[in-house]
Amino acid sequence: DQQVKQNSPSLSVQEGRISILNCDYTNSMFDYFLWYKKYPAEGPTFLISISSIKDKNEDGRFTVFLNKSAKHLSLHIVPSQPGDSAVYFCAARGVTGGGADGLTFGKGTHLIIQP
Amino acid sequence: DTAVSQTPKYLVTQMGNDKSIKCEQNLGHDTMYWYKQDSKKFLKIMFSYNNKELIINETVPNRFSPKSPDKAHLNLHINSLELGDSAVYFCASSTRTSVPETQYFGPGTRLLVL
Repeated sequence: DQQVKQNSPSLSVQEGRISILNCDYTNSMFDYFLWYKKYPAEGPTFLISISSIKDKNEDGRFTVFLNKSAKHLSLHIVPSQPGDSAVYFCAARGVTGGGADGLTFGKGTHLIIQP
Repeated sequence: DTAVSQTPKYLVTQMGNDKSIKCEQNLGHDTMYWYKQDSKKFLKIMFSYNNKELIINETVPNRFSPKSPDKAHLNLHINSLELGDSAVYFCASSTRTSVPETQYFGPGTRLLVL
C-alpha cells in the first residue's frame, strides 16, 4: 500500500523552463515532507523540505508547495538546468514503515532537462 | 570527505551464503538507518538505530540483522541469502536535534544473489 505516490515516472522539460514534479500522499499524520535528488550510482541527496503547517517553502531555484486538503505537494524548479536531470524522490516523515522510524518514499520521477 | 560511506559498493554472491555490508558516518549523527531499493525502485525503510534502540520494520525477515559497534557504524548482516534479496541497500544517518530530521544517504551497495 503506497502512502506516498509519484504518478509520473518521467518528465521531460526544456532548459530554462519550469519543471513541476508532483507527489500525493494518503496519510494525514505525516508532519514533514522532503524532496531528494538522486543521480545514477549515488545515494539520494536532500534538496528541500516543508513542514505540514506551511504551504510553501522556497530555496533558490527550488520551491515546494503543500496542499494539505488535497494531500498533494509539488516541487517547482525554475529555471531548469541540465544538472537538474536526475531522479527526484518525494518522501514523508511521521508514519513509520511497519514500525521502523524512517522516511516513506515515493517511487521517484526521472526528470530530463533537454537543451 | 564522504559523509556516509558503505562497503562494498558491489556484492555478487550465491544463494545460501551469509554476507555483511558496512556503513560508517562521520557526521556525528545519533541515528542510522538501512533502506532497501528493490527492482521496482521503491526505497523502503528496513531498520533505524538510535542510542542502542533498534526499531525494525516488521516486514523485514529475521535473516537481516543490523549491528552497531559504535555510534558511527551500522553494519547489515544477511544470513542465508535468497534471490529476492537482490537489491540496492542504502545506509543513512540523521540527528534528532535538527528539524526536520534530514537523512543523509550513502552511495548504496548493489547486491546480486545468484
